[in-house]
Amino acid sequence: DAGVIQSPRHEVTEMGQEVTLRCKPISGHDYLFWYRQTMMRGLELLIYFNNNVPIDDSGMPEDRFSAKMPNASFSTLKIQPSEPRDSAVYFCASSQRGHLRGNTIYFGEGSWLTVV
Amino acid sequence: AQTVTQSQPEMSVQEAETVTLSCTYDTSESDYYLFWYKQPPSRQMILVIRQEAYKQQNATENRFSVNFQKAAKSFSLKISDSQLGDAAMYFCAYRSNYGGSQGNLIFGKGTKLSVKP
Repeated sequence: DAGVIQSPRHEVTEMGQEVTLRCKPISGHDYLFWYRQTMMRGLELLIYFNNNVPIDDSGMPEDRFSAKMPNASFSTLKIQPSEPRDSAVYFCASSQRGHLRGNTIYFGEGSWLTVV
Repeated sequence: AQTVTQSQPEMSVQEAETVTLSCTYDTSESDYYLFWYKQPPSRQMILVIRQEAYKQQNATENRFSVNFQKAAKSFSLKISDSQLGDAAMYFCAYRSNYGGSQGNLIFGKGTKLSVKP
């Protein structure tokens, strides 16, 4: 089975540009998460969705960040305008819930973003 | 709110030996899951092992096993016969089995494991 698929794997962009990160969750999973990892702050949850509906977006840093999940098989995380402090690895992850369906959250390989 | 604590920022082990990574957590819930994830230099997050809180038996996956002490809220990872490929950052994580805003993973800050040849 295919895992969580993220694109792009690496992106270098100039400050002020728009960045869009994409994610395809594992088929059948009803939870989707966006995490950010930096040396300073470690792993941070940005937002997560259940059945395509945002449940908790309290981790989204500011209005420059937005996330959408138009259907069960696709999500985007957009940064506009980007700033150097947004440089990080962004992970998408997905899971099912419940004892019979498992609770493991599976991660994509991450999108390495560098804003110069 | 739940918290996860990994008190060992760094650990080192000789190849072929055994090492134990510590993790404690705080929760008032009774139904939850605990995980260990491995993050090698490639930065990919790889699931190592999972433990359901309602199960008394400790989980094992080949050379990896846990010591789950529910009353003490402790969840340590034992790596036997350590290999060079085990060198990585290891994260302990908690996930509630209740709904609402508790679907997220709560991570510890990680333990960096080095394996000496």
